Amino acid sequence: NAGVTQTPKFRILKIGQSMTLQCAQDMNHNYMYWYRQDPGMGLKLIYYSVGAGITDKGEVPNGYNVSRSTTEYFPLRLELAAPSQTSVYFCASLGGPGETQYFGPGTRLLVL
Amino acid sequence: RKEVEQDPGPFNVPEGATVAFNCTYSNSASQSFFWYRQDCRKEPKLLMSVYSSGNEDGRFTAQLNRASQYISLLIRDSKLSDSATYLCVVNRRNQFYFGTGTSLTVIP
Repeated sequence: NAGVTQTPKFRILKIGQSMTLQCAQDMNHNYMYWYRQDPGMGLKLIYYSVGAGITDKGEVPNGYNVSRSTTEYFPLRLELAAPSQTSVYFCASLGGPGETQYFGPGTRLLVL
Repeated sequence: RKEVEQDPGPFNVPEGATVAFNCTYSNSASQSFFWYRQDCRKEPKLLMSVYSSGNEDGRFTAQLNRASQYISLLIRDSKLSDSATYLCVVNRRNQFYFGTGTSLTVIP
């Protein structure tokens, strides 16, 4: 099992560009999450999904979009990159209530 | 008010010391509670779940006080490898709320 994988590891974007952060899990988990972590701060929830076809906003969804067409994949889309979106992005999955979250290794994004 | 609040530290302790971290949460409807460990520039990893009855895993003891909305983590006999940031996490309705973390450095 690869667990949770994320690509790319690192990316530099110009203001106004768009990109998709990829996340995949091979544990057949229903729940998936996207977080961002700014320096010296805790993780903040961007979007989450409780199953294929179902997504919901977290604490900081503005500037992002998600889709969940299959159980395995949960991509995060940035449409118009802004410097405020410079952060480390973590994807996580969860088998069910009361279980443990598994995190991917993160994507470091720099918007200049 | 923040969902989860932690003392950011840093805590600098000698090897072998006992150190305690505290955390409070604001929403009494929070359902489950965890401590995660995060090494520099890495993803968080689960250290332990926290139960009202208290639970222990080797040198680590976690405690939950629902009435006070307070969570603690005690590390005994600190090792150099315990140096990391410790994140307090609460779960409510499938959403996880993270504290900003407490930084621990264990000094030889």
